Amino acid sequence: QVQLQESGPGLVKPSETLSLTCTVSGGSVTSGTYYWTWIRQPPGKGLEWIGYIYYTGSTNYIPSLKSRVTISMATSKTQFSLRLSSVTAADTAVYYCARGVDVPMVAYFDLWGRGTLVTVSS
Amino acid sequence: SYELTQPPSVSVSPGQTASITCSGDKLGDKYISWYQQKPGQSPVLVIFKDNKRPSGIPERISGSNSGNTATLTISGTQAMDEADYYCQAWDSSTAVVFGGGTKVTVL
Repeated sequence: QVQLQESGPGLVKPSETLSLTCTVSGGSVTSGTYYWTWIRQPPGKGLEWIGYIYYTGSTNYIPSLKSRVTISMATSKTQFSLRLSSVTAADTAVYYCARGVDVPMVAYFDLWGRGTLVTVSS
Repeated sequence: SYELTQPPSVSVSPGQTASITCSGDKLGDKYISWYQQKPGQSPVLVIFKDNKRPSGIPERISGSNSGNTATLTISGTQAMDEADYYCQAWDSSTAVVFGGGTKVTVL
């Protein structure tokens, strides 16, 4: 049974870089079937898609964050990462990693991690 | 950019039917997915490709999509259905887009 687990610092200072890792247990990010995705949710607000990476290394990001976001795969084949630079308080959110299916055109997320809260504060 | 609009809240009595709408331009030409999120938990996929249920999702949860509106229907609503529900679609210009979410309250 495949599971996703986010990890990383829970507190990041303004203007610094947020870095999170998603570990895929029971599976591999190089399977060629799925799109490995980051989604965030500010406290009390809705879901916002950040971007995804395919096993080929191709990526797609939400336009509003594109200049600050990098999603990459680790050499371990069971992890992928999110980096978000120049963070502000507006980036405070629960960050989820998720598995995307039938991307593009259909694009749904059938498996989610438990999420990790990242607070941007000095 | 493409937008999906949901009502902020829907109230339903136990045993009755709850309908949650999601509106967008020519939404019927796209595939819609729906997610259920209970407080403090991750979202769970309940409908994909407009009306398909993942394994483990009860038959009383169904979906439809036509014209500019998609609808998630919960029949025989139970207390356990109280949650936030989000619609989601793919758009060629925006990629993945989520609706703002609807809080379903079972009175």
